[in-house]
Amino acid sequence: AQTVTQSQPEMSVQEAETVTLSCTYDTSESDYYLFWYKQPPSRQMILVIRQEAYKQQNATENRFSVNFQKAAKSFSLKISDSQLGDAAMYFCAYRSADSGYALNFGKGTSLLVTP
Amino acid sequence: DGGITQSPKYLFRKEGQNVTLSCEQNLNHDAMYWYRQDPGQGLRLIYYSQIVNDFQKGDIAEGYSVSREKKESFPLTVTSAQKNPTAFYLCASSIWTRGNEQFFGPGTRLTVL
Repeated sequence: AQTVTQSQPEMSVQEAETVTLSCTYDTSESDYYLFWYKQPPSRQMILVIRQEAYKQQNATENRFSVNFQKAAKSFSLKISDSQLGDAAMYFCAYRSADSGYALNFGKGTSLLVTP
Repeated sequence: DGGITQSPKYLFRKEGQNVTLSCEQNLNHDAMYWYRQDPGQGLRLIYYSQIVNDFQKGDIAEGYSVSREKKESFPLTVTSAQKNPTAFYLCASSIWTRGNEQFFGPGTRLTVL
């Protein structure tokens, strides 16, 4: 089974600054997808960004971008121009053909945004 | 509006009782999933279903049961055999391809009294 590790239980960033959340994973597969999900205090899970392992270009979605290093099995999330609404738990997730394409989640990083 | 609904939002159970959590989706998705979330543990897979009348155990299926009689519905029963059922339960659905995102319901908080 694949494992996903988020080594930062908590992170803090000031408004308008940039923060990077780390994620590493372990797999023997060559084709897979990686996701970052956001869980605000409402606890609703929201997709932030996705990356296909075969694509070398890093995914971007507005202020969110990833640094995908396939050989190092690393998938970090960069949030630029941080806003108060970015405060949430962020989960890195791996999706493979195992378990009906279910997601394997890391334990999450709690992001605090200060004014 | 298309989406996933879960009910109830909060559920209290006495020890020894079975309870059923509801999950309904109108997104026409084939695949549905149940996850359990505990503090500091992330989300863990309980059961998943790829088509009607078929479902598979996930990583922590012991003490849980599911059914999939309709495409739209995937209820989860927490049985008395589940030793520590207090948790937040999330239902998700997706088109059954690897790259498609999973859409999540708002969750059910189950507390054992």
